[in-house]
Amino acid sequence: GENVEQHPSTLSVQEGDSAVIKCTYSDSASNYFPWYKQELGKGPQLIIDIRSNVGEKKDQRIAVTLNKTAKHFSLHITETQPEDSAVYFCAASGNSGNTPLVFGKGTRLSVIA
Amino acid sequence: GAVVSQHPSRVICKSGTSVKIECRSLDFQATTMFWYRQFPKQSLMLMATSNEGSKATYEQGVEKDKFLINHASLTLSTLTVTSAHPEDSSFYICSAIPGFAEAFFGQGTRLTVV
Repeated sequence: GENVEQHPSTLSVQEGDSAVIKCTYSDSASNYFPWYKQELGKGPQLIIDIRSNVGEKKDQRIAVTLNKTAKHFSLHITETQPEDSAVYFCAASGNSGNTPLVFGKGTRLSVIA
Repeated sequence: GAVVSQHPSRVICKSGTSVKIECRSLDFQATTMFWYRQFPKQSLMLMATSNEGSKATYEQGVEKDKFLINHASLTLSTLTVTSAHPEDSSFYICSAIPGFAEAFFGQGTRLTVV
């Protein structure tokens, strides 16, 4: 089955700096790669996703890149703000209604004002 | 956007009792829903896949007699933790995927067994 590795487990950045979180996956059949932000005591919230037919996607301060050959994808947050502080999870799946997501272990991001 | 509602958000129960958690897709039909468990400072671990009108599929190591899943309609799946023990205390989260779109998650249920 799919295995998703995520690094780093914790990340501290100064406000305004960029943050990068990286994930690798094992199943070459996976074709959907979302990123979730989870705040304490709440369910995960989708912040951006990418499908295997594109290499990069951007939404304001957030971008995701995908390298299918190397089986890795990354989350980039620019101009970080204190409210970006949360736990971020990457995930992978085969992108159908019957395929569950497999999550990375998460990255606790702290943005220091 | 699609919404998945989970209830209750918090529950405290005594050891030996059962607790039911509901997961509803509010504006779409979901033939499949997923139940995850999350321990403090850990990732989401898939427990089972809930299939409307048929038996749930459980992940290895998850006791199906302890975590009863019922998916009786296209908008509702329930997870019942039976004979709860303190080690069952965790954050339980459901998820549903409308068609080929992204997965949506419920708000989660914090279960504390005392």
